[in-house]
Amino acid sequence: EPEVTQTPSHQVTQMGQEVILRCVPISNHLYFYWYRQILGQKVEFLVSFYNNEISEKSEIFDDQFSVERPDGSNFTLKIRSTKLEDSAMYFCASSYVRPGTGVGTEAFFGQGTRLTVV
Amino acid sequence: EDKVVQSPLSLVVHEGDTVTLNCSYEVTNFRSLLWYKQEKKAPTFLFMLTSSGIEKKSGRLSSILDKKELFSILNITATQTGDSAVYLCAVEAGDTDKLIFGTGTRLQVFP
Repeated sequence: EPEVTQTPSHQVTQMGQEVILRCVPISNHLYFYWYRQILGQKVEFLVSFYNNEISEKSEIFDDQFSVERPDGSNFTLKIRSTKLEDSAMYFCASSYVRPGTGVGTEAFFGQGTRLTVV
Repeated sequence: EDKVVQSPLSLVVHEGDTVTLNCSYEVTNFRSLLWYKQEKKAPTFLFMLTSSGIEKKSGRLSSILDKKELFSILNITATQTGDSAVYLCAVEAGDTDKLIFGTGTRLQVFP
């Protein structure tokens, strides 16, 4: 069964360092997302990406964050200068069409990357 | 502000019990409600509900939506230890791509 894959599963980084989280969405999907979940809190939307550009972003997704689809298969999230409060589980997700437009539009999530900023 | 609230926060049952998980929402221009199961890491998709009163069923799991009273329930019958997980409810609404998640219900099933 097709799945969203994320690497690495766990990343430890020093405050102020740049990190890149990688995702391979399901191959025929067109919409890509990043969500994060701080320990003990809700899953929160960061950004959606469609047609090679950001479709929507939350207020969390400030200038320190960027996304890219460098080739036909990878989708990356870069955090330029990490802060302690960026420590969280980061989930990549993808969907075939825009969510909520009918059956088969659900988003599928990857296993997540646990980012620990020290 | 759009809001999704799940109850209970936590539930402990014995194998064979039936459980009902609740999700209520207050959003503008509701589109759909989704249930996910989160075991260790990834939320895995269970159901998407868009219409009131139509039960979605998969094995021992079923779910229904009430768009008038703005809630959904997820039922699990004859629970097994493998059902232990956090069950997440999420809503799609308005002209937005994002899922709005609730805090989840942590279900623990003991033998």
